Amino acid sequence: QVRLQESGPGLVKPSQTLSLTCTVSGDSISSGSYYWTWIRQPAGKGLEWIGRMYTSGSTNYNPSLKGRVTISVDTSKNQFFLKLSSVTAADTAVYYCARHGGSGQVFFDYWGQGTLVTVSS
Amino acid sequence: DIQMTQSPSSLSASVGDRVTITCRASQSITTDLNWYQQQPEKAPKLLIYAASNLQSGVPSRFSGSGSGTDFTLSISSLQPEDSAFYYCQQSYSTPYTFGQGTKVEIK
Repeated sequence: QVRLQESGPGLVKPSQTLSLTCTVSGDSISSGSYYWTWIRQPAGKGLEWIGRMYTSGSTNYNPSLKGRVTISVDTSKNQFFLKLSSVTAADTAVYYCARHGGSGQVFFDYWGQGTLVTVSS
Repeated sequence: DIQMTQSPSSLSASVGDRVTITCRASQSITTDLNWYQQQPEKAPKLLIYAASNLQSGVPSRFSGSGSGTDFTLSISSLQPEDSAFYYCQQSYSTPYTFGQGTKVEIK
C-alpha cells in the first residue's frame, strides 16, 4: 500500500520560507515511474497545483507562484520536499503531496492526508 | 492556463436520485480529465481518470463521460456517503488546473 505523509512547521512568519517534507512508503521514489507533486488548498477554497518533480530531477512549477517554489528529492530517504519563499497570508493553506504517472496516467492516485500551514506573525 | 468551470456550484438531492455535474474546459483537453471526491477534512480521492475510466475500488454508480471541452460526472443512485465536494482536473498541460468544485448535499 502506497502512503504519503506530509510534515513540517504549521506556522510560518510572513516573508520567511515555508518548508515541507513528504515521506513516501510502499513505493520507491527512485523507481522512475511517477511524478511527485505538491498541491494546496486554502480554507474553504479549491485546489491549486504547485508543481512536480520527476526522479530524473526535472521539475515543473506553477507560474502563478512567480519563481518562489523549489521541489527537491532525497531518494536515500524516499522523501521529497517543498520550499516556498517570501510567504504571505495568501499562502496559508492545507498542503498535500501526491503522485501521478506519466503520459496517459496523469492522475493523482495517492495523496497524503494534508498539513495545514498558517502564515502569520 | 486552462480554465476549468464546474456547474452547478452546489446541489441538493435525495437518496436514490441521479446526479450530474458538468465541467467545461477553456480549450480542448481531449480526454485528459479526472474527477475527485473530497470529504470534509480529508484529502481528495480519485474517482474517474481519463474522462471515463473508473478508478479501482470506486463504486460503479459513479461514471464519467465527455471529450474535448465538455465533461460530466454522474452518480446513478445517490447514497448518503456521497455527500462531499467534487472536483474536475485537467491533465492535458501544466499547470494542471482544477474546477472550483461542486458541493453535493443529501436532502
